[in-house]
Amino acid sequence: EAGVTQFPSHSVIEKGQTVTLRCDPISGHDNLYWYRRVMGKEIKFLLHFVKESKQDESGMPNNRFLAERTGGTYSTLKVQPAELEDSGVYFCASSHLAEPSAAGELFFGEGSRLTVL
Amino acid sequence: RKEVEQDPGPFNVPEGATVAFNCTYSNSASQSFFWYRQDCRKEPKLLMSVYSSGNEDGRFTAQLNRASQYISLLIRDSKLSDSATYLCVVNDSWGKLQFGAGTQVVVTP
Repeated sequence: EAGVTQFPSHSVIEKGQTVTLRCDPISGHDNLYWYRRVMGKEIKFLLHFVKESKQDESGMPNNRFLAERTGGTYSTLKVQPAELEDSGVYFCASSHLAEPSAAGELFFGEGSRLTVL
Repeated sequence: RKEVEQDPGPFNVPEGATVAFNCTYSNSASQSFFWYRQDCRKEPKLLMSVYSSGNEDGRFTAQLNRASQYISLLIRDSKLSDSATYLCVVNDSWGKLQFGAGTQVVVTP
């Protein structure tokens, strides 16, 4: 079974440009999450989709970030315009459980590394 | 104040030895707790969940102390392959995981 896949694995862009990251969750997983790790910091929650609906987007830094999940399958995270502080690793995760309990887990993709120059 | 605090290490451990470390969390309403493992430049992967009664998975033992709001992980008979960063993770709600910055463990021959 394929895991969570993310594209691109690494993107280098200049400040002010736009980047779109894509995540394909594990097939059948209704829950999709975006997390981010900026250099030297811990991984931070960005948002959570249940199918195509945003369940929680409290972690989105500002309105330069736009996440979509049309059709409830893959998701995209667009950063426009990118700033230097957006550099980091963006992880996508999926789960088949709505509420990851003690028995549940999130399956993470390998991440998309974003470098803004 | 961080939601989840961990000693960053590194913990340098001779092969075959035991190593233990813990983390503290700030939200007393947190619902579930996990240890994830992350290898260099790879994604986090669930190592084990942590239960109030304490639980064991092979050489790994996890403990949760809700009163003091800390979680521990003990690794017995360390293997070279145990070298990684161990992330303390707390689930506040609906998969909104709070991650610690990680504890680096280096197992040496």
